[in-house]
Amino acid sequence: NAGVMQNPRHLVRRRGQEARLRCSPMKGHSHVYWYRQLPEEGLKFMVYLQKENIIDESGMPKERFSAEFPKEGPSILRIQQVVRGDSAAYFCASSPISRNTEAFFGQGTRLTVV
Amino acid sequence: DQQVKQNSPSLSVQEGRISILNCDYTNSMFDYFLWYKKYPAEGPTFLISISSIKDKNEDGRFTVFLNKSAKHLSLHIVPSQPGDSAVYFCAASGNTGNQFYFGTGTSLTVIP
Repeated sequence: NAGVMQNPRHLVRRRGQEARLRCSPMKGHSHVYWYRQLPEEGLKFMVYLQKENIIDESGMPKERFSAEFPKEGPSILRIQQVVRGDSAAYFCASSPISRNTEAFFGQGTRLTVV
Repeated sequence: DQQVKQNSPSLSVQEGRISILNCDYTNSMFDYFLWYKKYPAEGPTFLISISSIKDKNEDGRFTVFLNKSAKHLSLHIVPSQPGDSAVYFCAASGNTGNQFYFGTGTSLTVIP
C-alpha cells in the first residue's frame, strides 16, 4: 500500500520562475491537504481539496499560488513567479474522509528559491 | 491566530523516564485531536489520536490525555527511548472548517 507520494523531493528555482509540486494521495483517499513549513515554524494550512473541487483555500496567499486536484492524476500546487520567501518545505496529506480521522503525510517537497 | 499552541519548543528527557508533551487549544468546536511525530527531512507521521468523547487513549508506550474544560491535551511517552527523539506536533480538527490545525511543535531529545 503506497503512502502519499510527493515529487520532486527537492526543487530549486530562480526568482521569477514557476514551481509545480505534485502529490499523489494514498489509494482510496479523496481528500488532499497542502501545508507549508517555514524554517523554525510549525505546519501552516494552505488548502484543502477534494476531487475537482477546492473546499477551503483560506491559507493560500491571494496571489501567485494555486492548487488543483483533477479527476485523474495528482494534486498540483503551483507557485508562479517565485520569490525567496517561498523557500520552505511543502507537505501534502490525504485522508479517506474529512472528519474524525487522521491525515497521512508525504515526505514533502523542499523548495529553494535562489 | 494560533488556535493550537505548544508552548514548549523543546524538551530533554533521560532514557527510560517519562516524556510529557503539552498542547493547548482555543477553539471549543474542536472535537478530534492528533499527535504527529516528525524526523528531519521527513513528513510527519501519525502517532495517536483522541476524540472529544474520551479523556484518555493509550497505544503501547504512548498515551494521550484530553482535558476539555481546560482545553488542554498532553502526550505521555513511557518509557522514553532515544529513537523517540523527534519533533512532535499536536493537531486539532472539528466542526469549524476543513483543516487540521497544527501547533508549532516540541522538539524532544531523549538522552541515552
